[in-house]
Amino acid sequence: KAGVTQTPRYLIKTRGQQVTLSCSPISGHRSVSWYQQTPGQGLQFLFEYFSETQRNKGNFPGRFSGRQFSNSRSEMNVSTLELGDSALYLCASRWDIYYEQYFGPGTRLTVT
Amino acid sequence: AQKVTQAQTEISVVEKEDVTLDCVYETRDTTYYLFWYKQPPSGELVFLIRRNSFDEQNEISGRYSWNFQKSTSSFNFTITASQVVDSAVYFCALSGSGNTGKLIFGQGTTLQVKP
Repeated sequence: KAGVTQTPRYLIKTRGQQVTLSCSPISGHRSVSWYQQTPGQGLQFLFEYFSETQRNKGNFPGRFSGRQFSNSRSEMNVSTLELGDSALYLCASRWDIYYEQYFGPGTRLTVT
Repeated sequence: AQKVTQAQTEISVVEKEDVTLDCVYETRDTTYYLFWYKQPPSGELVFLIRRNSFDEQNEISGRYSWNFQKSTSSFNFTITASQVVDSAVYFCALSGSGNTGKLIFGQGTTLQVKP
């Protein structure tokens, strides 16, 4: 079974631009979560989607948004990029809420 | 508030040594879930184990073992006879009641195994 895939793997954007990251979960998994990883703050939870509904949200500004499609694929959008948004963005999926999460390889976003 | 503390920032051992990675957690939930993940240099987080708060049995999987103690709020991870391929950053994580997708991660412990 294929693992979680994320596209693109690397991205360079300029301050003020917006960006959309994509995540395809493991086949059959209905939950997708997003995390931001930085050297200073570590791994921080952004949000979780389950069956197209946002189930939980972390403490990030409204510039960070996401959505999930009927096929469980998810996208994350960051508007008005700031230098501090440079990070590794990880997506994770799980079959249902009582199961462990499996992570993708991440998207490395650099904001200049 | 929920919190996970991994006090060891970096550990360096020589191959074949045993090593224990410490994890202490804080939560007010009576039902919670604990996890360990490994992050090799490639960057992808690899799931190692999940533990439910109501199951205090220790677990062994090959060279890996986990010691869960609710009395001390600890969930430690031991690698026996370490190998160079074990070199990675290891994260302990906590999820509260309802096992929402929100994992609270510790800061991670970087393990370097030298040949």
